[in-house]
Amino acid sequence: AQSVTQLDSHVSVSEGTPVLLRCNYSSSYSPSLFWYVQHPNKGLQLLLKYTSAATLVKGINGFEAEFKKSETSFHLTKPSAHMSDAAEYFCVVRPSGYSTLTFGKGTMLLVSP
Amino acid sequence: NAGVTQTPKFQVLKTGQSMTLQCAQDMNHEYMSWYRQDPGMGLRLIHYSVGAGITDQGEVPNGYNVSRSTTEDFPLRLLSAAPSQTSVYFCASSRDSALGQPQHFGDGTRLSIL
Repeated sequence: AQSVTQLDSHVSVSEGTPVLLRCNYSSSYSPSLFWYVQHPNKGLQLLLKYTSAATLVKGINGFEAEFKKSETSFHLTKPSAHMSDAAEYFCVVRPSGYSTLTFGKGTMLLVSP
Repeated sequence: NAGVTQTPKFQVLKTGQSMTLQCAQDMNHEYMSWYRQDPGMGLRLIHYSVGAGITDQGEVPNGYNVSRSTTEDFPLRLLSAAPSQTSVYFCASSRDSALGQPQHFGDGTRLSIL
């Protein structure tokens, strides 16, 4: 069985400071991993994905994530937060051989001026 | 590009009423799915389809029906609405179910059951 744990329900940062959103997964098979962002009253938008190529994945809007198999982690980072980054972020896993996705419960990112 | 279109955007129902949430995509995607989003729960899969004529249950299928008569459309039916079905519903599609294919999401339908 697969599962995803987002370690923080809320993260608060100041504009211009680094962002770290943590995600751990469990999966019996080599997974694909995704990060999605959801702005208020909107659908989910793909930020980046990992599919067993390079372990450091670059996404849109300056975000990146590193796949660490030994730690079963896929943390999302950004060097400098913008006000427009304030949103909810979801870590998602799809194990190899499965067609369905499993979502984490989300991390709300708050960015203060 | 329209992408994934969900209608209606908002709906209020009374307990016991039925309704259909519509989902259409114009990307010729084979894989479509329905999720519900509840506070603190992330998204949970209700039903999914890997192609026209093929559907399967997800994590929380009870109280919902789906069909997939065309590639483009994947409606979700509530046969007898219950307050526990108050939620935000998202439809998503992807090219296929292969590893690594990202899903494209609609903007959601916000449903309240009184």
